[in-house]
Amino acid sequence: DQQVKQNSPSLSVQEGRISILNCDYTNSMFDYFLWYKKYPAEGPTFLISISSIKDKNEDGRFTVFLNKSAKHLSLHIVPSQPGDSAVYFCAASEGSYNTDKLIFGTGTRLQVFP
Amino acid sequence: EPEVTQTPSHQVTQMGQEVILRCVPISNHLYFYWYRQILGQKVEFLVSFYNNEISEKSEIFDDQFSVERPDGSNFTLKIRSTKLEDSAMYFCASRGTSYRETQYFGPGTRLLVL
Repeated sequence: DQQVKQNSPSLSVQEGRISILNCDYTNSMFDYFLWYKKYPAEGPTFLISISSIKDKNEDGRFTVFLNKSAKHLSLHIVPSQPGDSAVYFCAASEGSYNTDKLIFGTGTRLQVFP
Repeated sequence: EPEVTQTPSHQVTQMGQEVILRCVPISNHLYFYWYRQILGQKVEFLVSFYNNEISEKSEIFDDQFSVERPDGSNFTLKIRSTKLEDSAMYFCASRGTSYRETQYFGPGTRLLVL
């Protein structure tokens, strides 16, 4: 049951360049999407979110794009910095009164090298 | 900045023993969650809790699991009789009351069942 998929387990990017992390989902009931960053031995740290009524949300170096027709979202980090090296999780939630659980993808390990 | 805290950070137990994992959510939050991540796998939802009762639970959250808010600050997850497959990182999360508020995660408890 992979409702949220991150097909790239790892990504390596040079410092200063753009990092693009991708996420696909299958459940058309999802209407809220989040990106979390996770360092080893720590909990997921919230980065940015987007509601299904939008197709873009920006916060500093981080921008999330949502393509509902393709059931695809992406996280852009520009410029990438070595401190961005971590595992990035995409998560989704249904727009239902009865549930707000987050469904996570498997994560993409981003490495930013100098 | 307010944060979710969890204790202990690590717990080693023998199969069949009971364990209690503790969490202190962010102080003005009213929605609480437990998730877990088995090594190498994705973060999975276990249970959500609001107004002193379970709002939703996953298939993983069977009769061996229970949650409690014993006082105004703590939120606990009890596993009555641990199994080897319960070995995982357990994350507590909390959020505020507004619609679509972000879930903030604690650093996790690493549980190892021998």
